[in-house]
Amino acid sequence: DAGVTQSPTHLIKTRGQQVTLRCSPISGHKSVSWYQQVLGQGPQFIFQYYEKEERGRGNFPDRFSARQFPNYSSELNVNALLLGDSALYLCASSLGQGYTEAFFGQGTRLTVV
Amino acid sequence: SQQGEEDPQALSIQEGENATMNCSYKTSINNLQWYRQNSGRGLVHLILIRSNEREKHSGRLRVTLDTSKKSSSLLITASRAADTASYFCATDERNTDKLIFGTGTRLQVFP
Repeated sequence: DAGVTQSPTHLIKTRGQQVTLRCSPISGHKSVSWYQQVLGQGPQFIFQYYEKEERGRGNFPDRFSARQFPNYSSELNVNALLLGDSALYLCASSLGQGYTEAFFGQGTRLTVV
Repeated sequence: SQQGEEDPQALSIQEGENATMNCSYKTSINNLQWYRQNSGRGLVHLILIRSNEREKHSGRLRVTLDTSKKSSSLLITASRAADTASYFCATDERNTDKLIFGTGTRLQVFP
């Protein structure tokens, strides 16, 4: 079975631009979460979607938004990019509803210049 | 903000030795999970321990959980060079799937 897939793997953007990151969960998983990992730190929660509804939001500005599609894949959008948005963005999928393991993709490395 | 702290921040050992990492957290949890990350790539799920469990084994991994002290430990026995990675613990907020990660332990295993 395919694991969690994310695209693209690397991305370079200029300050002020917008970016869209994509995630396909493991087949059968209905929950998708997004995390930001800045170099040298642990991942920080951004969003969680379950059954296409937002179930949680971390402490990130409104420039960050996400959505989940009927096939449970998800997109993370970041507008008006700042240098500080440079990070590894990780997507995780799980069956959802607690008591389950979360499985992560390989991440998208975003560099803002 | 980070939920927990891993201790130590960095650990260097020889192949064949055991590696022990500790994690402390702040709030009540449903589960605690341990992950491995190689060179800034994706996180690999290692093991999940539920709040009503005290110890769990998986291959060379042994995890303990002490909810009264809000702490967990990960023991890797007979370490290998391939175990070189960063290790994170993650706890979940009650009634959500949100994971809160610690700061990580960087493990270096020398051949």
